[in-house]
Amino acid sequence: ETGVTQSPTHLIKTRGQQVTLRCSSQSGHNTVSWYQQALGQGPQFIFQYYREEENGRGNFPPRFSGLQFPNYSSELNVNALELDDSALYLCASSLGGPGTETQYFGPGTRLLVL
Amino acid sequence: AQSVTQLGSHVSVSEGALVLLRCNYSSSVPPYLFWYVQYPNQGLQLLLKYTSAATLVKGINGFEAEFKKSETSFHLTKPSAHMSDAAEYFCAVSESSGANSKLTFGKGITLSVRP
Repeated sequence: ETGVTQSPTHLIKTRGQQVTLRCSSQSGHNTVSWYQQALGQGPQFIFQYYREEENGRGNFPPRFSGLQFPNYSSELNVNALELDDSALYLCASSLGGPGTETQYFGPGTRLLVL
Repeated sequence: AQSVTQLGSHVSVSEGALVLLRCNYSSSVPPYLFWYVQYPNQGLQLLLKYTSAATLVKGINGFEAEFKKSETSFHLTKPSAHMSDAAEYFCAVSESSGANSKLTFGKGITLSVRP
């Protein structure tokens, strides 16, 4: 059984660019959540996808968007990058309906915006 | 709304000493509570979770935590610290009911273990 994987591991972008981060959920998991972890802080919830539909969103602007595919993998897209978007982006997958299951995290993608 | 408070940003213990990392939560509904550990340049690894069964929860690597509703606390303990326990520890809460299971994290505590 493979765990949660994320790509790329590191990324450097400049302000105003767009970025796509990818996540493959753990085998059999149908729910994917994305979190942003700024340096020295705890992770903050961006949004969650359940069976390809957005199922909850945190306090992030619309330039943060996502997708979940039929195989339950997911993408996080960020448009018009800002310096404050520099962070570790974590994907977590879980099994079952929302509100019921433990989330298992991937290793993260570290994004640096210059 | 739910929230987590982790008092102190850094705890230092000697190898073999008791580890106590504090976590207090706020939740309008019965909570699920979690402790995750993060090693440098890695993602989060689940240590243990409370989901309304036994109030004393045992996790991996000898860690345990006790849910105390009256104190709204979920402190993490380990009887004897090991050098490999040095890491960042996060307490998190999610609602046991509701539309989604988003996790709300505390700011984290860095655990250092002295030889």
